[in-house]
Amino acid sequence: GAVVSQHPSWVICKSGTSVKIECRSLDFQATTMFWYRQFPKQSLMLMATSNEGSKATYEQGVEKDKFLINHASLTLSTLTVTSAHPEDSSFYICSASPVWGEQFFGPGTRLTVL
Amino acid sequence: GIQVEQSPPDLILQEGANSTLRCNFSDSVNNLQWFHQNPWGQLINLFYIPSGTKQNGRLSATTVATERYSLLYISSSQTTDSGVYFCAVEGDFNKFYFGSGTKLNVKP
Repeated sequence: GAVVSQHPSWVICKSGTSVKIECRSLDFQATTMFWYRQFPKQSLMLMATSNEGSKATYEQGVEKDKFLINHASLTLSTLTVTSAHPEDSSFYICSASPVWGEQFFGPGTRLTVL
Repeated sequence: GIQVEQSPPDLILQEGANSTLRCNFSDSVNNLQWFHQNPWGQLINLFYIPSGTKQNGRLSATTVATERYSLLYISSSQTTDSGVYFCAVEGDFNKFYFGSGTKLNVKP
């Protein structure tokens, strides 16, 4: 149990376009979902925390208008990278947390902006 | 935020050897998890261990919350154990803080 899916697993886009990444908890309801970014050979950096039906809480230094997060239901959160640029290229990982607090991670999305 | 330090940063083992990975954290935490990140980037949950000791096969973990550290033991290591091991702690408001990881390379 406790499976989290993420789609797409990789995406290549042109500079200036927007990209949407979906994160779904498949077999549990996630009271909280998290979005992380990971650069090569580095640790995970928390971008934002979202609870179903409320606005996401962004970490310091993360642009809210750049990285739009929607947590529409207890099983789905989306991250939209708006007007993507090459510096937004990264590995984006979501996690979902059921009521008892343990985090379960999706497989990640590798974004390349040309 | 909470500072999380992992040691050692890199570890090379011969297959069959045992090892201990350490995670120190700077403040009291609500929860602690250990993860293994495989070469494709997937984070695999190993332990959810805010305190005490747990075992799962060749792996075990101990968290001493009062002294702010956790240990991950790997016994009889296998090449498939290679990858990066992360410790993450939960502070206030459900925020998780990750350590910088231990990169393990198990050689045949």
